[in-house]
Amino acid sequence: QKEVEQNSGPLSVPEGAIASLNCTYSDRGSQSFFWYRQYSGKSPELIMFIYSNGDKEDGRFTAQLNKASQYVSLLIRDSQPSDSATYLCAVRKFSGGYQKVTFGTGTKLQVIP
Amino acid sequence: DGGITQSPKYLFRKEGQNVTLSCEQNLNHDAMYWYRQDPGQGLRLIYYSQIVNDFQKGDIAEGYSVSREKKESFPLTVTSAQKNPTAFYLCASRGGDGVNTEAFFGQGTRLTVV
Repeated sequence: QKEVEQNSGPLSVPEGAIASLNCTYSDRGSQSFFWYRQYSGKSPELIMFIYSNGDKEDGRFTAQLNKASQYVSLLIRDSQPSDSATYLCAVRKFSGGYQKVTFGTGTKLQVIP
Repeated sequence: DGGITQSPKYLFRKEGQNVTLSCEQNLNHDAMYWYRQDPGQGLRLIYYSQIVNDFQKGDIAEGYSVSREKKESFPLTVTSAQKNPTAFYLCASRGGDGVNTEAFFGQGTRLTVV
């Protein structure tokens, strides 16, 4: 089982719709959860992080965390063509006394004008 | 300006050659990471370092080596033992151990074997 799993997509949504991106993780000891956006050929840029159960909103983005189900999601409201990118889920935990960050393989989002 | 800098942006390696990728940060971050990304794939952890003179193997460390002699610098050497080194290499750094501290990425180095 992979430590962090994401559906590779592509996920296609029409402009203005809500895009829902999902991520599951295997280690219950994971502490922090991050969503990064990566445009083709570029490095990832942080969108949001969350570490408490529940929802966290920032503008058009909402991160949701459910530690009991080991599930974290990212909702993008009013999706724009500029949101078309690959979204990477990352999970951080202590491993052997160190903080280790593990990434999922990413979900490709396509927003159709 | 504070940030994390990787160089070179593009690198070509001949078969059997060792090459070193540079990563420098002036964010005063303790933790630094090296990831590899293959086309259509996520990031896989090669090595990480929490403090100077200490580093740990990640999930795919074979064929790679690192050093952390200074807080600001975490160079990655791709050795001839790495059989398939063509990939996009990303360096990241993170400050603090708090649950709400995020990692910042450099712009990446694209390595191609010729």
